[in-house]
Amino acid sequence: DQQVKQNSPSLSVQEGRISILNCDYTNSMFDYFLWYKKYPAEGPTFLISISSIKDKNEDGRFTVFLNKSAKHLSLHIVPSQPGDSAVYFCAASYNTDKLIFGTGTRLQVFP
Amino acid sequence: KAGVTQTPRYLIKTRGQQVTLSCSPISGHRSVSWYQQTPGQGLQFLFEYFSETQRNKGNFPGRFSGRQFSNSRSEMNVSTLELGDSALYLCASSLGVGDTYNEQFFGPGTRLTVL
Repeated sequence: DQQVKQNSPSLSVQEGRISILNCDYTNSMFDYFLWYKKYPAEGPTFLISISSIKDKNEDGRFTVFLNKSAKHLSLHIVPSQPGDSAVYFCAASYNTDKLIFGTGTRLQVFP
Repeated sequence: KAGVTQTPRYLIKTRGQQVTLSCSPISGHRSVSWYQQTPGQGLQFLFEYFSETQRNKGNFPGRFSGRQFSNSRSEMNVSTLELGDSALYLCASSLGVGDTYNEQFFGPGTRLTVL
């Protein structure tokens, strides 16, 4: 039972444009959501997070939106840069440090 | 400060063998979690240790076990290896305190190949 889903395995975006990565979840108990970025041969690195009491969190070029009624969150990257090319994982937790991850979306930003 | 370190980085074993992976958390972090990453499955939570006690457990068979030492270093063990155990095993550390989420920092992982 996949509680956190990333239905798009890959996304290709031109440099300078907006990248939108999507994530759906099924467990309404989740109270914290995160995005991680992963390069090959490295561990995931934390990107941005959002608490369930908020609907938006912004950090530079990265913005995460949370729609609790739809059980959906999205990560917007504006403007996209070639260095953003990586696999992005969304993750969720409730009351603990245990993270439930999605299957990842591979973002490719081309010039 | 130094990040999370994992040893070894790469490992090749054969079916039926057992393996032990090691993780050294960031200094001051008391929680260590382990995740398995396989293609198509993403990262799946194995277990979390805090102050030498298993605090959370994922849905993996008993062949997967772990422990944590008094210096917060952690090991995970997989016995009777199967081909499907081939994966990247990631360790993450955090402060582990309080009742809300603590940011986790991941190590580079150990790539296990079972032949």
